[in-house]
This record gives sequence, C-alpha cells and structure tokens, in this order.
Amino acid sequence: SQKIEQNSEALNIQEGKTATLTCNYTNYSPAYLQWYRQDPGRGPVFLLLIRENEKEKRKERLKVTFDTTLKQSLFHITASQPADSATYLCALAPQTGANNLFFGTGTRLTVIP
Amino acid sequence: DAGITQSPRHKVTETGTPVTLRCHQTENHRYMYWYRQDPGHGLRLIHYSYGVKDTDKGEVSDGYSVSRSKTEDFLLTLESATSSQTSVYFCAISEVAGVGDTQYFGPGTRLTVL
Repeated sequence: SQKIEQNSEALNIQEGKTATLTCNYTNYSPAYLQWYRQDPGRGPVFLLLIRENEKEKRKERLKVTFDTTLKQSLFHITASQPADSATYLCALAPQTGANNLFFGTGTRLTVIP
Repeated sequence: DAGITQSPRHKVTETGTPVTLRCHQTENHRYMYWYRQDPGHGLRLIHYSYGVKDTDKGEVSDGYSVSRSKTEDFLLTLESATSSQTSVYFCAISEVAGVGDTQYFGPGTRLTVL
C-alpha cells in the first residue's frame, strides 16, 4: 500500500541549531514534492516545492532535498528560531492523476530558546 | 489565508442530520479542494473541483457530496452526518494543476458529530 511517513511526530531542538525533518514514501512515483507549515488552529501554508529531477532547493533558511532512489525528502531549517515552532507537512503529487496531493501526518517542531 | 473563507468555523451537530460547509474564494482560482484532517492520518482529499460544475472524487469521498455553481464557491455536504465524520475540514485552492501547483488553504471548519 502507499505510505508517506514523516520521521517523528515531534522534534525538539535548541535555538540556533539546524532542524532536519524527514519524509519517506513507499509505492509512489512522485512528480514533485511540497513542504507546508501548519500552526495550531490554522490551515497549512506552502513553503517549498521540489521536482523529481531536482536534488535540492533553497529559500532563505530553508533547504529541501529529494532523493527518488532512497524515496526520501529532507527538510532543513538552519539557525532555527522559536518562531519556527510549528507542524511541518510533506505532500506528494504522483506522476499519474491530475493534481491530487497526498500528505504525510506531519512533524511538530519545537525550537527551545 | 489567501482570500479564502470557510463557514461555519465551528459546528456541532447530531448524527443523521445533513450538514453543508461552505468555502468562498476571492482569488478567481480554477481549482478548489476539500480535505479532512484527523490525528494519525494527516490531510486527506475528499473531493475537488477543476471548474464550475466540474468535480471529482478524492481519497475519502464516501458519505460526502460537493457542488460548485460559481467559481468562488465550493460546497461540501454531508447528507447524513456520522460520528466518523467528526474532523477538521479544510478548503484549498490552486491556480494551476500539476507541477507548479501550490495550494492555498482556508482557516478550517471544526465539525463535531454527536
């Protein structure tokens, strides 16, 4: 069966360190992968998109990697700040089928001052 | 929340009653989606629309119907609510589909079915 797993439900990290979140998938052939941020009581907000033929994407303190051989994406936040505390979701768009996104369950990141 | 509103924001209802949730957008985006979010399952697609009167089923469509009579409005109806439909419902919109698609989410509706 198809699965998207995000490494852990919760991750605590010290302010200033790099947070690394993992998204693993099985039985998908994603055309691209997205990362979203979700704050309590709010809808997800888009952060980054990476295509299947791209290895790495950066945006300010954020970096995403995509390894289709390992079936894994890593999401890094460098110089983490307490304001980065949120739940982060990965989402896959399969090669076939229009524009459906399949979401992981998320990792709740807490940055400790 | 990118010009997307959802109503109501909270609703408590009884099993067996019909419920309609509304999503309204001011962005004139073609695609609209309804998701539900439950602990341990993440966001799951219920139905989506790719134009006025054009809709299709998602991963968890049983027990739900949708309608889109105008570009800006997408309605989700639970014909006869069940306790398993207690969830947080999110509407999302996107301008394009496929690679490059970014979905913008509304604030959510928390539905409790007693």
